[in-house]
Amino acid sequence: DAGVTQSPTHLIKTRGQQVTLRCSPISGHKSVSWYQQVLGQGPQFIFQYYEKEERGRGNFPDRFSARQFPNYSSELNVNALLLGDSALYLCASSRRRGLAGGLNEQFFGPGTRLTVL
Amino acid sequence: SQQGEEDPQALSIQEGENATMNCSYKTSINNLQWYRQNSGRGLVHLILIRSNEREKHSGRLRVTLDTSKKSSSLLITASRAADTASYFCATVPSSSGSARQLTFGSGTQLTVLP
Repeated sequence: DAGVTQSPTHLIKTRGQQVTLRCSPISGHKSVSWYQQVLGQGPQFIFQYYEKEERGRGNFPDRFSARQFPNYSSELNVNALLLGDSALYLCASSRRRGLAGGLNEQFFGPGTRLTVL
Repeated sequence: SQQGEEDPQALSIQEGENATMNCSYKTSINNLQWYRQNSGRGLVHLILIRSNEREKHSGRLRVTLDTSKKSSSLLITASRAADTASYFCATVPSSSGSARQLTFGSGTQLTVLP
């Protein structure tokens, strides 16, 4: 089975531009989460989408938005890019909405490396 | 913000030695998970330990959890050069409203020298 896929692999943008990142979850997974990982730090939670609705949001500005499509794929949009948005953006999928109980593991994609100049 | 801290930040050992990494966290948890990341790429899930468990094994990995001290450790036995990577602990909070996201620590960079 294919794992979580993300596109593009790398992206270079300039300040003020807008970017769209894409994620396809593992087949059968209905939950997609987005994380930002700045160099040298652990990933930080941005959004969770489940059944096409936003179910959780981290401490990120409104410049960050996302959506989930009927096939459960997802897009992360970032407007008015800042230098500090340079990071690895990770997408993770899981079967269920919650991560407590059971073995509801999140499977991560390889990430999109965004560089803002 | 990060949930907790990993200790040490960096660890360098010889092949065949054991590697121990520690993780501290701040809030009550439902479970704690360890992930591995090679060269800034995607995260690979290693092991999950629930809050009512104290120790868990998976192959060469041993994880302990002390909820009274809000800490966990990951032991990799008989390390190999291929174990070189960054290791992160991540927690799922016990409050149901928040139990939909992983909160990661800052990671330990492990280097295993051949």
